[in-house]
Amino acid sequence: ELKVEQNPLFLSMQEGKNYTIYCNYSTTSDRLYWYRQDPGKSLESLFVLLSNGAVKQEGRLMASLDTKARLSTLHITAAVHDLSATYFCAVGGMYSGGGADGLTFGKGTHLIIQP
Amino acid sequence: EPEVTQTPSHQVTQMGQEVILRCVPISNHLYFYWYRQILGQKVEFLVSFYNNEISEKSEIFDDQFSVERPDGSNFTLKIRSTKLEDSAMYFCASPINTEAFFGQGTRLTVV
Repeated sequence: ELKVEQNPLFLSMQEGKNYTIYCNYSTTSDRLYWYRQDPGKSLESLFVLLSNGAVKQEGRLMASLDTKARLSTLHITAAVHDLSATYFCAVGGMYSGGGADGLTFGKGTHLIIQP
Repeated sequence: EPEVTQTPSHQVTQMGQEVILRCVPISNHLYFYWYRQILGQKVEFLVSFYNNEISEKSEIFDDQFSVERPDGSNFTLKIRSTKLEDSAMYFCASPINTEAFFGQGTRLTVV
């Protein structure tokens, strides 16, 4: 059974600080996703990481993937209040069928950035 | 970002009643998913549906649930005899290549 663990589950930080969210998964996968969710809203796709060593950056967010360690990180640089949200990592590969398989999600990291 | 449309946005139903949630995936897509998110918890995979058949399903997707494609563009998730614990956000998702785009969700409240 594929397990996806995120930590921390809750993070309160000040604007301007840097921090990293970690996502570990238990079995081999070649697809890792990061999503953002605002309260009561849907999931917004942030990054899709498809290979070992993949690094993607968008604004103040940077995601990386180490498939050998089964670890992905989401790094926040100089945080701003607008980044407050819940961030989920999700791993593909548990359910076969081709294309974008059913994803297994972590529990999410509830991020609060205070002015 | 590609658009996946869900209706209704919110539905309240009495325990024991049947509900039907609807999704219009990205145009002409044959492959889509349903996920569930109980309030404050993680997103859980329910089922994937490809070309009018269930492709994969999780242990959550028991006989209470069914998926259909009643016409060429809409997909439905039916929950028979709803229980209180079925209260959740239900998302459909439509893939492009290896990426899954989620609809806005239907908030189901069972009372």
